[in-house]
Amino acid sequence: ETGVTQTPRHLVMGMTNKKSLKCEQHLGHNAMYWYKQSAKKPLELMFVYNFKEQTENNSVPSRFSPECPNSSHLFLHLHTLQPEDSALYLCASRTGESDTGELFFGEGSRLTVL
Amino acid sequence: AQKITQTQPGMFVQEKEAVTLDCTYDTSDPSYGLFWYKQPSSGEMIFLIYQGSYDQQNATEGRYSLNFQKARKSANLVISASQLGDSAMYFCAMREEGDNFNKFYFGSGTKLNVKP
Repeated sequence: ETGVTQTPRHLVMGMTNKKSLKCEQHLGHNAMYWYKQSAKKPLELMFVYNFKEQTENNSVPSRFSPECPNSSHLFLHLHTLQPEDSALYLCASRTGESDTGELFFGEGSRLTVL
Repeated sequence: AQKITQTQPGMFVQEKEAVTLDCTYDTSDPSYGLFWYKQPSSGEMIFLIYQGSYDQQNATEGRYSLNFQKARKSANLVISASQLGDSAMYFCAMREEGDNFNKFYFGSGTKLNVKP
């Protein structure tokens, strides 16, 4: 079992559906991230939560809305998505208390929008 | 402007040989961190190595070393004695430490194929 768990691992949805991606970290970290990974592109930072304070990437469409109810859980709410939103969505967490402070990633949620 | 540039979409290396994966970065922050991650076909991102901007020596972790040239803003990954299990995507990343959010920026990756 990884320290960062993402559910569901695979999701297929229509453009009019509403769904949510869930991320849970068991590492006691205080910062959580959502990244979008599309083929042959750099990972795109979507949202960061640090001590539940959010910074938003202004280029993220409003059809994506994050929620961080506590330091262990992070959600990405999806509604009226477009086919170009199909991608692997990666959640990550980190602590500021280690020497390196690297990101710990989940295994990702593969989203397909029909 | 791209903060992390990886110019090699794909690389081949013979098993047991060394390979260098290129990475250049762009930042005006005096304090930053540089990272390399490995992503096998299964999808998980695996942390390999870290270099701090103030570190004087190049980082090493087992068969991985990071060739850090600060003036050139490059942070190349060197994998020695390649193994078949090294075949994967490799991503270079930078963490800017200018604010509390510690944003991480990634390159587009290099696909490494190790040939037997």
